[in-house]
Amino acid sequence: SQQGEEDPQALSIQEGENATMNCSYKTSINNLQWYRQNSGRGLVHLILIRSNEREKHSGRLRVTLDTSKKSSSLLITASRAADTASYFCATDAGNAGNMLTFGGGTRLMVKP
Amino acid sequence: SQTIHQWPATLVQPVGSPLSLECTVEGTSNPNLYWYRQAAGRGLQLLFYSVGIGQISSEVPQNLSASRPQDRQFILSSKKLLLSDSGFYLCAWSLFGQPQHFGDGTRLSIL
Repeated sequence: SQQGEEDPQALSIQEGENATMNCSYKTSINNLQWYRQNSGRGLVHLILIRSNEREKHSGRLRVTLDTSKKSSSLLITASRAADTASYFCATDAGNAGNMLTFGGGTRLMVKP
Repeated sequence: SQTIHQWPATLVQPVGSPLSLECTVEGTSNPNLYWYRQAAGRGLQLLFYSVGIGQISSEVPQNLSASRPQDRQFILSSKKLLLSDSGFYLCAWSLFGQPQHFGDGTRLSIL
C-alpha cells in the first residue's frame, strides 16, 4: 500500500511561476524524500528531510515537513520547461533495509 | 563514483515464457538493493529488497522471484510470465540511511 499521497495529481503552470506539491503520510517516519522522474526514466533523488527538520533548501527547491500533520510540501521556484516531470515523495520509517514507501506522484507540466 | 546498470531497457515476451532482468552496481560495497514495479502513471511498488548476498525479502506475493548471487548483483526472475507482469521495472541501491539511486528501468511488455 502507498503511504505517501501527493496532491495535486497533475499540475500545469507557465514558465517562471512557482509550483507547489504536497504529500501526506500515515505513520511515523525517520525521513521523507522527494524524487523526480522524467518520462520513461528512473527516479532521481532531489532532497531528503529528516523527521527533526522543518525546512530544507536546495537551489530552487524548498521542502517543508510538518510531522504533527504528517505532511510535506515541495516548492519549485521560478519553474522552467525542463522541470516538466513527475515528482514523488517517499517515506522511510526506519524499517530493516531502509525501505521507502512511495506516493502516487504529481505530474508537473511547465509550459514555455 | 557509484553507478547502477540495468538491462535490457525494453523487453517483449510471450505469456508463459521465463524472465531474467539483471541489475549491477559499481563503486560501492554491501549496498541495499531493491526491485520495484511501476504501473503507467502510478507510483512505485516495492517487490523485493536485499540487505546482503543471498538475503531476499519479498514485499508482495507474486509470480516473480529475486536473487542476489553477488554483493552488487540483483536479479529478478520468473519461470512463467503472466499478462499482469507487464510494467516498468526499476532497480535501486542505497547505503544505510541514505537516499536510493535508481537505474533507468526495463519496460516489460507481455503479449
